[in-house]
Amino acid sequence: GDSVTQMEGPVTLSEEAFLTINCTYTATGYPSLFWYVQYPGEGLQLLLKATKADDKGSNKGFEATYRKETTSFHLEKGSVQVSDSAVYFCALMGGFQKLVFGTGTRLLVSP
Amino acid sequence: DVKVTQSSRYLVKRTGEKVFLECVQDMDHENMFWYRQDPGLGLRLIYFSYDVKMKEKGDIPEGYSVSREKKERFSLILESASTNQTSMYLCASSLTGGSPNQPQHFGDGTRLSIL
Repeated sequence: GDSVTQMEGPVTLSEEAFLTINCTYTATGYPSLFWYVQYPGEGLQLLLKATKADDKGSNKGFEATYRKETTSFHLEKGSVQVSDSAVYFCALMGGFQKLVFGTGTRLLVSP
Repeated sequence: DVKVTQSSRYLVKRTGEKVFLECVQDMDHENMFWYRQDPGLGLRLIYFSYDVKMKEKGDIPEGYSVSREKKERFSLILESASTNQTSMYLCASSLTGGSPNQPQHFGDGTRLSIL
């Protein structure tokens, strides 16, 4: 079945550092891919998405490119801020609009 | 903006009780979903619904049921709560029409403790 694998956290960075959170997937066909973010005490918010190969999703300085050849959708940001501290979830949309999530990666950014 | 509202942020119940978790969305979305979130496991789909009175099992439906009598409301029911159902529960909704692969919009979650 469909599955998503994310790097384990926590990822600990200093402010202004470069961020990469790895995400790979296994799926039949070409699913849409998503990154969601969960801030402390809140639900999930959509961060960005890509619907086909080579698409780049971007939002709030975060980017991710849909790589069909490596089945990956890595999340990057050039300069993280303390306010980016959160849990990040990679997900794919399978059949019937169901999302399949990775286990989440916690990001901790220190001043 | 889409608003998905879960009736309680925190809930404490006892083993064997029947527990109701309520979710309401205000954007006329056809699809609604219930997930549970556990450390190291991410989000797992319990049940979902494509329309009023429709329901489909997700990946972990055992011990749960759902009700969707109105389009905007989707209820999760723990028939006889057990301690292994202590978890964070998240509700989500999405559109069917328009562009494909509509994103899901989430509520803030209900942290449920079963004692």
